[in-house]
Amino acid sequence: DFVMTQSPDSLAVSLGERATINCKSSQSVLYISNNKNYLAWYQQKPGQPPKLLIYWASTRESGVPDRFSGSGSGTDFTLTISSLQAEDVAVYYCQQYYSTPFTFGPGTKVDIK
Amino acid sequence: EVQLVESGGGLVQPGGSLRLSCAASGFTFSSYWMSWVRQAPGKGLEWVANIKQDGSEKHYVDSVKGRFTISRDNAKNSLYLQMNSLRADDTAVYYCARGLPWELPNQYFHHWGQGTLVTVSS
Repeated sequence: DFVMTQSPDSLAVSLGERATINCKSSQSVLYISNNKNYLAWYQQKPGQPPKLLIYWASTRESGVPDRFSGSGSGTDFTLTISSLQAEDVAVYYCQQYYSTPFTFGPGTKVDIK
Repeated sequence: EVQLVESGGGLVQPGGSLRLSCAASGFTFSSYWMSWVRQAPGKGLEWVANIKQDGSEKHYVDSVKGRFTISRDNAKNSLYLQMNSLRADDTAVYYCARGLPWELPNQYFHHWGQGTLVTVSS
């Protein structure tokens, strides 16, 4: 199975500052035949289901603010919030969908400093 | 508007059974893979199972194989999860999630239900 790790476990960032979350897969999630990375990012606020932010590692879901961006390839990925807003306080998860069982990272909690 | 509404959760004793349901609306249910994803209290997300549009292909995480069965009724726009031989570590909120309208099982999830809580305890 693909093991997903995330760093840091938590971070506190000042409003308007950049937040960077890293995700690493134990195996490459890059599918060579279509050159796509099978990696998604979700945001989860307390008491709510997860919300899709990014898929194919860097494609922003419709309606997601452009301060959210995804990058990386192969085994190493990054979610960046360019200018943290109060409503971005949440836990963020990466997910590989290269193969079943699909697996999620353990989550990174983002707070305001 | 896409809506996914789970039901059927509750308190069950270890070794017991429960059947979860997910009522789908606002999209052509029969065109999409569907999944169950769970989240233990205060913990992260764990994908449990998915099922192809016509029910012909199913995948499970190892920890539930042989105990859980995913199924669907496209005529009723409904997804199910039959859970048998339940254990304490099955305690979680179970989410229904809509996958993608393609052939392959590779899925990320645009839409999620609000979840239903399953508690396994004596």
